[in-house]
Amino acid sequence: EADIYQTPRYLVIGTGKKITLECSQTMGHDKMYWYQQDPGMELHLIHYSYGVNSTEKGDLSSESTVSRIRTEHFPLTLESARPSHTSQYLCASSDGSGGRGNIQYFGAGTRLSVL
Amino acid sequence: DAKTTQPTSMDCAEGRAANLPCNHSTISGNEYVYWYRQIHSQGPQYIIHGLKNNETNEMASLIITEDRKSSTLILPHATLRDTAVYYCIVTRGGSNYKLTFGKGTLLTVNP
Repeated sequence: EADIYQTPRYLVIGTGKKITLECSQTMGHDKMYWYQQDPGMELHLIHYSYGVNSTEKGDLSSESTVSRIRTEHFPLTLESARPSHTSQYLCASSDGSGGRGNIQYFGAGTRLSVL
Repeated sequence: DAKTTQPTSMDCAEGRAANLPCNHSTISGNEYVYWYRQIHSQGPQYIIHGLKNNETNEMASLIITEDRKSSTLILPHATLRDTAVYYCIVTRGGSNYKLTFGKGTLLTVNP
């Protein structure tokens, strides 16, 4: 089993609040990812990191930001939450080379509702 | 990355084998086939991957045709807990290449 943790699992917050979604992994993986998924819809990559101090934007534009100061920690921040940010956010990590490099381990996700 | 085509949904009886097809006719020689699944509201779970040869692990078997243009994921004895959306993804190996999750196949295992 993969050891990747996301907190909180559920968050209901008012418009304009600053929020940080936490993601931590204990596997020592260099690569970490954030995906966004609306109910019944596809997963979209919004951020990824190949290591400490490395962050990149994903395929789907997002107003969120990320940081990678420590290998095990990859938090996602929304400076001013809006109802359009309501979604599920999933964190993942991976390591290895060749075919195994694309084995990603996912956390349980954070369901965010912005009122 | 090569595009994949999967049926929108499938049904399977509990205890029977579930065979989930995936077409990837534009796959290139250095691209792998990956299968993930997502049980309702949870994070996706890796199942299996392969390049050319058939593969088997404790969860499933992956059969890749000789021309590599299609593959089949086999769950040998489906249980109710296997009800999930199954994603077939084709991409180059190595964690520098990203996964693109499409709509997948909703497999419903019926009692």
